[in-house]
Amino acid sequence: EVQLVESGGGLVQPKGSLKLSCAASGFTFHTYAMNWVRQAPGKGLKWVARIRSKSNNYATYYADSVKDRFTISRDDSQSMLFLQMNNLKTEDTAMYYCVRQMISFSYWGQGTLVTVSA
Amino acid sequence: DIVMTQSQKFMSTSVGDRVSVTCKASQNVITNVAWYQQKPGQSPKALIYSASYRYNGVPDRFTGSGSGTDFTLTISNVQSEDLAEYFCQQYNNYPLTFGAGTKLELK
Repeated sequence: EVQLVESGGGLVQPKGSLKLSCAASGFTFHTYAMNWVRQAPGKGLKWVARIRSKSNNYATYYADSVKDRFTISRDDSQSMLFLQMNNLKTEDTAMYYCVRQMISFSYWGQGTLVTVSA
Repeated sequence: DIVMTQSQKFMSTSVGDRVSVTCKASQNVITNVAWYQQKPGQSPKALIYSASYRYNGVPDRFTGSGSGTDFTLTISNVQSEDLAEYFCQQYNNYPLTFGAGTKLELK
């Protein structure tokens, strides 16, 4: 059974940092591209970042709104996905989902909530 | 950025009806479109990829169609468990973008 379990969310002050983690199981993690997608309370879905597999040189892509502030990374030996978030802004408040990509976003975790507030 | 427009924020339906949710891309995305279902308090679930292919386990009452800029998700014989919000997404160009969502409600 495919499982994606996010952790690391919480309350942080503006300009602070947070690192999200996603533990994957039930599939061959290293062969898949992985993404982070966020959803502000009561709002729609926004893609945040993508990291490809080793065979694609771990290429990374970011939404403009998080470029130079967020870093996506992965540890294939541990089947883990990460999102390092720096210089957080109030508009980064959202549920953050770890998402496996097979053509499109084939499987989603349950999410971890990040709240940026003074 | 490619804008995905779901013009109907809400749609009313009855159990057993057929309903179509539409999505329009601001430029040609070929067939690189997916559809997702999200119920309150849950994470999204993938339904359709490449505009018209169902993911494993998705009931065949869900049908996707379209190419270029116009796409449709049709639900035949709507069931009560289908009452949810539906999002389209394009993955033809970065940034990957979603529609604003269409909520399917009971009449």
